[in-house]
Amino acid sequence: TQLLEQSPQFLSIQEGENLTVYCNSSSVFSSLQWYRQEPGEGPVLLVTVVTGGEVKKLKRLTFQFGDARKDSSLHITAAQPGDTGLYLCAGVVSGTYKYIFGTGTRLKVLA
Amino acid sequence: DAGVIQSPRHEVTEMGQEVTLRCKPISGHDYLFWYRQTMMRGLELLIYFNNNVPIDDSGMPEDRFSAKMPNASFSTLKIQPSEPRDSAVYFCASRPLGTKDTGELFFGEGSRLTVL
Repeated sequence: TQLLEQSPQFLSIQEGENLTVYCNSSSVFSSLQWYRQEPGEGPVLLVTVVTGGEVKKLKRLTFQFGDARKDSSLHITAAQPGDTGLYLCAGVVSGTYKYIFGTGTRLKVLA
Repeated sequence: DAGVIQSPRHEVTEMGQEVTLRCKPISGHDYLFWYRQTMMRGLELLIYFNNNVPIDDSGMPEDRFSAKMPNASFSTLKIQPSEPRDSAVYFCASRPLGTKDTGELFFGEGSRLTVL
């Protein structure tokens, strides 16, 4: 069974601070995605990483895929209240189109 | 363009009753996924379809759960009989054709089920 563990589970920070969220597994994934979910809505894709060691930037968000394609991180620089939400990583099981979601990190950014 | 449409948005029922959740995927998408989300267990994959055919139903909790996709524009998830532990938000998602294993999942707004 493929599992994706995220840490931390909860994070409450002040506006302007930096933070990093981790997504770890013992399984190899063909690709890894990060989604953000707001209350009452479904998750929305932020980014997809495919190659081991790949780094992608989306404004103040930086995503990295581990060299062995088993883990990933999301770094937010100068967090803003609009970044508040549930962040989910999702791995695509190799050889399938099965998307496994991580346990989630609930972020709250205080003004 | 319309996104993934789920109904009902909210359902409150009593233990033992049958529950049917419905999903209309985005037109042209060839994969459809059903997930269940709870605080304790997060977002769990229940089953997914490709071109209306179930590919992996290993996440379906037990025989009380069943899912069908009679055509490319409609899917149902049925729980019979329902139990309080089935209370959760159920999401349907679809994926565009030809995006291999990097395709984006497009989620509906979810169906919040409460079983009393």
